[in-house]
Amino acid sequence: GNSVTQMEGPVTLSEEAFLTINCTYTATGYPSLFWYVQYPGEGLQLLLKATKADDKGSNKGFEATYRKETTSFHLEKGSVQVSDSAVYFCALRKVIQGAQKLVFGQGTRLTINP
Amino acid sequence: DAGVTQSPTHLIKTRGQQVTLRCSPKSGHDTVSWYQQALGQGPQFIFQYYEEEERQRGNFPDRFSGHQFPNYSSELNVNALLLGDSALYLCASTLWTDYYEQYFGPGTRLTVT
Repeated sequence: GNSVTQMEGPVTLSEEAFLTINCTYTATGYPSLFWYVQYPGEGLQLLLKATKADDKGSNKGFEATYRKETTSFHLEKGSVQVSDSAVYFCALRKVIQGAQKLVFGQGTRLTINP
Repeated sequence: DAGVTQSPTHLIKTRGQQVTLRCSPKSGHDTVSWYQQALGQGPQFIFQYYEEEERQRGNFPDRFSGHQFPNYSSELNVNALLLGDSALYLCASTLWTDYYEQYFGPGTRLTVT
């Protein structure tokens, strides 16, 4: 079946540190991949996406590359800020007869200390 | 441009009761999906509605049902509530023809006691 596995959290870093959150997936075919972010008390916001192998999604300094050979979509940022503290979810999109659904990982809580 | 809105924000119910949650999609969107997010977990797909019909359903019992109205808004109904139904319920909207992005609402926090 389709599934997404993220590195377990919580992750705590100092401001300006380098961030990596690992994400691997299991799926038939080549699904589109996404990173969503959830700030406290809010819904999910799309952070970035990639729709085919070797695509790189990027937004707000975050990047992730769709690696078909390793079935991975790791999230990276070169210098994190306190405002990046949130829960991050990796997800794949599955389409069945035109209807789409997102399959999410369990989430990784990130805390950035000043 | 209003985003996805959900109501109520929070509610508390007793085991065995029934609950209805409401969602208004982002302007211009015609497809609504519902997700259940248990504490500390990722969201789980419940179902998706388009043209007032359920188009796809996740692994949830029949106690979970929904409806979509002609104005594209949607309701999620849960009957015979169990303690395990306590969760954040998220609504997401998109265009049926747009395969790439779903916009999420802030969610409804349901507590079953």
